[in-house]
Parts: sequence; C-alpha cells; structure tokens
Amino acid sequence: ELKVEQNPLFLSMQEGKNYTIYCNYSTTSDRLYWYRQDPGKSLESLFVLLSNGAVKQEGRLMASLDTKARLSTLHITAAVHDLSATYFCAVEWETSGSRLTFGEGTQLTVNP
Amino acid sequence: DVKVTQSSRYLVKRTGEKVFLECVQDMDHENMFWYRQDPGLGLRLIYFSYDVKMKEKGDIPEGYSVSREKKERFSLILESASTNQTSMYLCASSWTENYGYTFGSGTRLTVV
Repeated sequence: ELKVEQNPLFLSMQEGKNYTIYCNYSTTSDRLYWYRQDPGKSLESLFVLLSNGAVKQEGRLMASLDTKARLSTLHITAAVHDLSATYFCAVEWETSGSRLTFGEGTQLTVNP
Repeated sequence: DVKVTQSSRYLVKRTGEKVFLECVQDMDHENMFWYRQDPGLGLRLIYFSYDVKMKEKGDIPEGYSVSREKKERFSLILESASTNQTSMYLCASSWTENYGYTFGSGTRLTVV
C-alpha cells in the first residue's frame, strides 16, 4: 500500500520568511502533484513533477522531486499572506488504472 | 477549460437514507474518481472508474457504491447513510495519457 506523508501538518510563518514543506512517499512513482486548497474550495493544481530531478517554480513557490529518495519539497520564498492555504502533495501510481494517493495536507498560515 | 460539476454544494440527509452524489465532466475523460476529505486525513479514494461500466475499489469503499453508465457521469451512492459518512466529497476526472486531474468543487454532506 502506498503511503504519502507530509510534514509539517501545520505551519505558521511570518511574512517575508522562507520555509519548506516535505512530502515523503513509500513506493516507486515518477509523478507527483502539488495542490492548493483554500477554505471551502476545491483543489487547485500547482505543479506536476514528472521525473527525477524535476524542478518547477511559480512565483514564490518552487517544487522539486527526488524519486530515489522518494521525496518532494515545496519551498516558499518570502511568504506573503495570500499564500495562506492548505497544500497537498499527491503521488500517482498504477494499479488497475492510474490513481492519486494524497498526503494529509499542510495548513499554512502566513502572519503579517 | 475542463469542467467537473458536482450537482450539490451542500446536502443534509437523515441516517438510513439512500444518497446519490452526482458528478459530470465535459471533456471526454476516461478516468473518474470519488474522494472524501476529512481534516487531518487528506483525501482518501473511495472508488474510481477508468471506463464506462467499469469500477475499482479505492482505499475506503465500505458503505459506498458507484455507477458509471455514461462516460461523462460518475455517481456515488450511499446505500444507507450513517453519521460517520458526514464529510466533504470530491469528484475528479483525468485522461489516461495526460498528466492532470481536474477536481469538482465538492459536496459537503451532513448525515443527521
């Protein structure tokens, strides 16, 4: 069974600071997704990482994938209040058809 | 843009009722999924389908069934609703050959 673990689960940070969210998973996969969810809303796709060493950046967020270590990171640079949300990583794997298994989510609060 | 539409945003049902949650996608995706989301547990896969009339159990299928009679529609059925099925339910769809999942806006179900 695939397990996906995120840490931390709760993160409170000040505006302007940097921080990293970690996503570990337990079985081989070459595809990893990061999503953002605002309270009461659905999931918004942030990044799709398709291969070992993949790095993608959008604004203050940068995601990377190390398939050998089974680890992805989401790095936040100079946080702003608008980044407050819950962030999920999800690993795609093949059983009978592709499916996503999600981490628990990291609730990020950026304080002024 | 791909749209995944869930028929109800909020539902309140009584214990023992039969409940139908409907999901429709408009981009001819082969794969469709039902997840439930609970605080601290992330999203957990209930059932998925990779073709019409095909279904596969996810991680937590107990107490649920699904129906996919047409490619665009995937229904989640609670045969006899119980209070522990109070949750947010999210539908998603994807193509097999494309890396991306689109999520609906969710149905918040309360069973009283």
